[in-house]
Amino acid sequence: EAQVTQNPRYLITVTGKKLTVTCSQNMNHEYMSWYRQDPGLGLRQIYYSMNVEVTDKGDVPEGYKVSRKEKRNFPLILESPSPNQTSLYFCASRRTQRNEQFFGPGTRLTVL
Amino acid sequence: GDSVTQMEGPVTLSEEAFLTINCTYTATGYPSLFWYVQYPGEGLQLLLKATKADDKGSNKGFEATYRKETTSFHLEKGSVQVSDSAVYFCALSDPFNSGGSNYKLTFGKGTLLTVNP
Repeated sequence: EAQVTQNPRYLITVTGKKLTVTCSQNMNHEYMSWYRQDPGLGLRQIYYSMNVEVTDKGDVPEGYKVSRKEKRNFPLILESPSPNQTSLYFCASRRTQRNEQFFGPGTRLTVL
Repeated sequence: GDSVTQMEGPVTLSEEAFLTINCTYTATGYPSLFWYVQYPGEGLQLLLKATKADDKGSNKGFEATYRKETTSFHLEKGSVQVSDSAVYFCALSDPFNSGGSNYKLTFGKGTLLTVNP
């Protein structure tokens, strides 16, 4: 089944404790992206990647890092999480030539 | 920059009622337009899309027409069901505004629809 998977689905952590949210897609998509969803703000892009080893900032990159060492994986790294990063995070992917993005199921992160 | 404005919710309807969720956009280039749906506890699913003026996207009884003259992409359904209860997001993708290198989706804030039996 074609899909985007994220892990973990739920995470409660404390300020300053480094964490990684994994994202993997099995559709051989070149483009991958991370969004955060906050009430009243919709979804906003954090980082994106056009292909392996090619990443760039989205609209709200502060406090986040990403890497793209393999085509299928695009982990989101929070080196020192803070409470304002409490949010619902979505990973997405698409083929360069197609116009549809596929989203993962989301990761709900709470930073205390 | 690009932006999407959609009807604030929540919207509560009875089963079989007619649904309209308004969406207007501002874009630099010639965007593609989308409606995504988020069912409770799930991720976003593409509901329908349109890539050029006067295109009509449709799926599962939902429709939306790309109106360039009014910069709108309103979502409609003639007869809603309880199973349509979800959050609906209008979104656009405007590669022109991101130098052609980012397929970023710009989302509206979402509209919560509740359909009662």
